[in-house]
Amino acid sequence: EPEVTQTPSHQVTQMGQEVILRCVPISNHLYFYWYRQILGQKVEFLVSFYNNEISEKSEIFDDQFSVERPDGSNFTLKIRSTKLEDSAMYFCASSGDRGRSETQYFGPGTRLLVL
Amino acid sequence: AQSVTQLDSHVSVSEGTPVLLRCNYSSSYSPSLFWYVQHPNKGLQLLLKYTSAATLVKGINGFEAEFKKSETSFHLTKPSAHMSDAAEYFCVVRSQGNTDKLIFGTGTRLQVFP
Repeated sequence: EPEVTQTPSHQVTQMGQEVILRCVPISNHLYFYWYRQILGQKVEFLVSFYNNEISEKSEIFDDQFSVERPDGSNFTLKIRSTKLEDSAMYFCASSGDRGRSETQYFGPGTRLLVL
Repeated sequence: AQSVTQLDSHVSVSEGTPVLLRCNYSSSYSPSLFWYVQHPNKGLQLLLKYTSAATLVKGINGFEAEFKKSETSFHLTKPSAHMSDAAEYFCVVRSQGNTDKLIFGTGTRLQVFP
């Protein structure tokens, strides 16, 4: 069964450093998402992406964040200058279409720790 | 605005006994509701979804959920728990309007004892 994959599974970085989290969505999917979960808190929506542009972003997704689909398979989340509060589990998801009945398929997550 | 409330942060059951994970939603229109499960070190896996068809929804691994508009509930049930059901369960609602944003509950950790 096709699945979303994410690399790395864990990343430790120093505050102020740039990190890139990578995702490979399901191959025929067109809609891509990032969510995050700070330890002990809810999973929160960050951004959705379609047709090489951001469709929607939350207020969390400020200028420090960017997303890109650099080739036909990868979807990346970049944090330019990490802060301590960026420590969280980051989930990538993809779906084949939009609409109320569509399922978003999630990857296993990348656990980011900012020191 | 849409929201979901998971009424229990932890639920413990014995293997072979029924499972009930409670979820109430708040929505000004007919919502799309989902249950996802997260096993340790795994991604969020869809268990089932309600999108305005049948109110009793059957999912994978013997789970089902019933949409009750009068009670604004979407509780997850399973007749007989298995050790492999131990995981974190999330009730999720799709945000209203021209958006695909999912709104998650706080999660319920299910423990299954032998």
